[in-house]
Amino acid sequence: GQQVMQIPQYQHVQEGEDFTTYCNSSTTLSNIQWYKQRPGGHPVFLIQLVKSGEVKKQKRLTFQFGEAKKNSSLHITATQTTDVGTYFCAGPFMGSNYQLIWGAGTKLIIKP
Amino acid sequence: SAVISQKPSRDICQRGTSLTIQCQVDSQVTMMFWYRQQPGQSLTLIATANQGSEATYESGFVIDKFPISRPNLTFSTLTVSNMSPEDSSIYLCSVDGDGTSYEQYFGPGTRLTVT
Repeated sequence: GQQVMQIPQYQHVQEGEDFTTYCNSSTTLSNIQWYKQRPGGHPVFLIQLVKSGEVKKQKRLTFQFGEAKKNSSLHITATQTTDVGTYFCAGPFMGSNYQLIWGAGTKLIIKP
Repeated sequence: SAVISQKPSRDICQRGTSLTIQCQVDSQVTMMFWYRQQPGQSLTLIATANQGSEATYESGFVIDKFPISRPNLTFSTLTVSNMSPEDSSIYLCSVDGDGTSYEQYFGPGTRLTVT
């Protein structure tokens, strides 16, 4: 069946270091979305990518959508404590625009 | 973006009983979604609820176990029936965005523990 794989499961970084999470779909996606979930919170929408090869930036966050529209990445430059949480990618089920299949998430942990 | 509330925020229930979770949105929305999230895990879509039609369930979820109502464009309920400890999870409702893209906005969730 359709799958969205996300790695790594966890990433421990020192504050100020960079963070990257990767998402890979078993099928071509019409769009891919990224969400952030703080500990104890609910997922919050960050961004949607639609075009092949698209790159979008939000301050220190850079999102990329692969040329084949099957993979995506989120890169955070110079992490801060406010970045702590789990980052999820999600793409629509085949034949749908709205029903989402989610990656496993990558938990960003700042080392003390 | 829409403001979404859920009731209850948490509950502890005995096995064999049922719990109804409410989701209220501050504006009219076309699509509402119900998810399950085990602590520390990803989200799994249970069903999509559109006003005026039967909910559409994803593989592994059935109406008898998770009946859903959608009486109007701002409200939905999910019932978890005949609960077992395996139903212990966080249940989240979400709504679609403003129509220009496909993002979703989530309620705060209901943490359910079944003993």
